[in-house]
Amino acid sequence: DAGITQSPRHKVTETGTPVTLRCHQTENHRYMYWYRQDPGHGLRLIHYSYGVKDTDKGEVSDGYSVSRSKTEDFLLTLESATSSQTSVYFCAISDAASGGPSTDTQYFGPGTRLTVL
Amino acid sequence: GIQVEQSPPDLILQEGANSTLRCNFSDSVNNLQWFHQNPWGQLINLFYIPSGTKQNGRLSATTVATERYSLLYISSSQTTDSGVYFCAVCLGNTPLVFGKGTRLSVIA
Repeated sequence: DAGITQSPRHKVTETGTPVTLRCHQTENHRYMYWYRQDPGHGLRLIHYSYGVKDTDKGEVSDGYSVSRSKTEDFLLTLESATSSQTSVYFCAISDAASGGPSTDTQYFGPGTRLTVL
Repeated sequence: GIQVEQSPPDLILQEGANSTLRCNFSDSVNNLQWFHQNPWGQLINLFYIPSGTKQNGRLSATTVATERYSLLYISSSQTTDSGVYFCAVCLGNTPLVFGKGTRLSVIA
């Protein structure tokens, strides 16, 4: 199994509070991703990173920000959580042996279940 | 962007039966992967298969890139095969786009 951990694994918070989720990898992979999974929508990309301090938006980035100050850590922040952000959040990693995220296998972390009341 | 459609959306099998899951995509791709999400939520990569055929035990996958589809075959299904199977594709330096999955239930 790829060395990917997510913390916390479960969190309950209130509307309007800031929340930060952490993804940590031990594989030294270049690419890291944050997805959310909701019933009827499958997996949707929030943000991704292609290197330290290099990030880009995904399909559902509104209300989320990310930071990557070290290769191994990718943080997802909800500045002011809303009930619509209740979801399961997955981190994933991939390497790019020959130039881009399209060239390599992607591995997922165990997920974080976030409930916003 | 690329559209990914998976069929069937739901499938119920008796243990020991075989099944075929399909993934259609709307544009050329150079990356296609199949994932299994088990009932506990864990997502496991099954195949990286942008073209051709691969086999891993009772599972095999075939991608016909020119016709824009991929098939995942499960033979002699077991209850542990239950869960949701996702297909994901991309082209170039873009992130994967996921289909909505096929939910498989294998009954003993």
